[in-house]
Amino acid sequence: AQSVTQPDIHITVSEGASLELRCNYSYGATPYLFWYVQSPGQGLQLLLKYFSGDTLVQGIKGFEAEFKRSQSSFNLRKPSVHWSDAAEYFCAVGTRGSYIPTFGRGTSLIVHP
Amino acid sequence: GAVVSQHPSRVICKSGTSVKIECRSLDFQATTMFWYRQFPKQSLMLMATSNEGSKATYEQGVEKDKFLINHASLTLSTLTVTSAHPEDSSFYICSAREGGGNTEAFFGQGTRLTVV
Repeated sequence: AQSVTQPDIHITVSEGASLELRCNYSYGATPYLFWYVQSPGQGLQLLLKYFSGDTLVQGIKGFEAEFKRSQSSFNLRKPSVHWSDAAEYFCAVGTRGSYIPTFGRGTSLIVHP
Repeated sequence: GAVVSQHPSRVICKSGTSVKIECRSLDFQATTMFWYRQFPKQSLMLMATSNEGSKATYEQGVEKDKFLINHASLTLSTLTVTSAHPEDSSFYICSAREGGGNTEAFFGQGTRLTVV
């Protein structure tokens, strides 16, 4: 079965600083990979996804992620964080033939002014 | 993207009563819907998968008699928490997809259930 590890429970950055949220997955084949964002009391919004092709994926709100097969990673990055980016971020992995994502525990992003 | 609407967004009920949560796909036909439960500061745990017109498939450890799922139409699935207890208090989120295995699923905004 697939699994996802988000090693950082909380990340604190200053507004305008760069951001990288870590995600490692475990799956025997090439996975589907996703990043979602959740604002307090809200559902999930898809930031970006990787199914195949270019390993550097561009998403909404200025986010990008890079699939590194050798490291089993799919880290999320943003060059300059805005205060409105403060939220919970979930990495998820799905398997070929099934979209149903398995979620990591999430990383809470705190943005200081 | 497509829109999935959940109702209500918040509900408080008394212990022992039942609560129904609706999940609607507003601009597409959802052949499959998923129900998740999220505990505070934790990840989403898949509870069950439902296909329109079929019985839901529950994940291990989820009580099917406790969490009744109905997917009677291509745009509506309901989750009923029966005989609710305080430990059922949680954030419940649905998602829906139109097609098969590799089509994107869209998430509702979630329902905060508090059982007092």
